[in-house]
This record gives sequence, structure tokens and C-alpha cells, in this order.
Amino acid sequence: DGGITQSPKYLFRKEGQNVTLSCEQNLNHDAMYWYRQDPGQGLRLIYYSQIVNDFQKGDIAEGYSVSREKKESFPLTVTSAQKNPTAFYLCASSRTSGFSYEQYFGPGTRLTVT
Amino acid sequence: GQQVMQIPQYQHVQEGEDFTTYCNSSTTLSNIQWYKQRPGGHPVFLIQLVKSGEVKKQKRLTFQFGEAKKNSSLHITATQTTDVGTYFCAFSGTYKYIFGTGTRLKVLA
Repeated sequence: DGGITQSPKYLFRKEGQNVTLSCEQNLNHDAMYWYRQDPGQGLRLIYYSQIVNDFQKGDIAEGYSVSREKKESFPLTVTSAQKNPTAFYLCASSRTSGFSYEQYFGPGTRLTVT
Repeated sequence: GQQVMQIPQYQHVQEGEDFTTYCNSSTTLSNIQWYKQRPGGHPVFLIQLVKSGEVKKQKRLTFQFGEAKKNSSLHITATQTTDVGTYFCAFSGTYKYIFGTGTRLKVLA
């Protein structure tokens, strides 16, 4: 069964702690993405990666970091520098970051920081 | 940078009524994609339009791409409670996708 997995589904953390969200895909996709979604809002791009060992900042990268050491994996770390980390985080992948390929989304992780 | 605006932001309809959401860009788009996100779920790809004036149908859903490739619409005929969710348009920018703000549809039984 091909797809994208994100874990955990719900995550609770204390303010000031870094937390890493997992994203794994077995679709053999080159490109992977992290989005943030706040209640009633659209999707905002945090980071994206077109190929292993390379990634670029999206529109709201401050306070986040990523790595892409393997094609299948694109973990996101929410650092203590992120001022409002509580949100729904979505990971996605596509065959390539270029023209005409649909994005496949994981089920998401709901992060609550208190 | 490139942006797409979606209207309306919210829409409540009685079951059986039609629904339309519009996506507008100030620049010409190479393509337009539509996604649906059920409440509490994740976005799921519905369709992609590429050609000027293109119209595609999926059962009760009709998707259009404007002649100038600057706007698109999604029309649902005779809504059902299963149509509830947020509908997003998106397009491929340079190395990334740009999503519209979404239209949240509520269907009243």
C-alpha cells in the first residue's frame, strides 16, 4: 500500500521544547513539502525539498528546520523559536516539484504547545 | 509573488442546491488543481486543468479553466452531505505549489 505516513497524529509539548514531526513516503516521489494549517485557514508552505540533501524555505520557515537525508523521509523540527507553533501540520509529496503533478498528503499531525 | 484568491470563503447550502467556488489570479497560470479537505482530514487531489477553456466533469462536479487561464471554477450540482468540506485550488509555481485560501462548504440536510 503506497502512501504518506505522519506520526504522531496528536502531539502535545511544553513551550520552549523542540519537537520533531515525522513524514515518510513510499511513493518513490522526488519532491516533499511541509505545510502549516491554522483553524479555518488555507495551507502555508514551510519548507520543500526537490531532491535528497537539498531543501528550500517556503513562505513561513522561521522557527522551523528540516532535513532530507533519505528520499523517503522529510522530518520537520518545530523549534522553540517558533512563536505560535500550535497548528495542524501536513506533509505532502509529488513526483517532481515541477509542472503538472498532483500532491499526495499525509494524514497530518496536530501539534499543541502550552 | 503569485497569489490566488478564492471566493466565497464560506458557503452554506441546503442539500440538493448547487454550489460554485471561484479561483482568481492576477497572472496567467500554467495549470490549476483542485483539492478537497473533509473536516478533520487532509487535502485530497480532485483534478487538474491545463488547457485554456478546459472543462472537465466528475459525476456532479464540473471544473472549468478560464480562456485567459487566470481563473477557474468548481461547480457542484445537487449537493449532498458528503460534499461537506473545504475546497482548495492550487497551481504549480516555480518549484512549489501555491494554494488558494479555500472555500468551506456546509450542506444542511
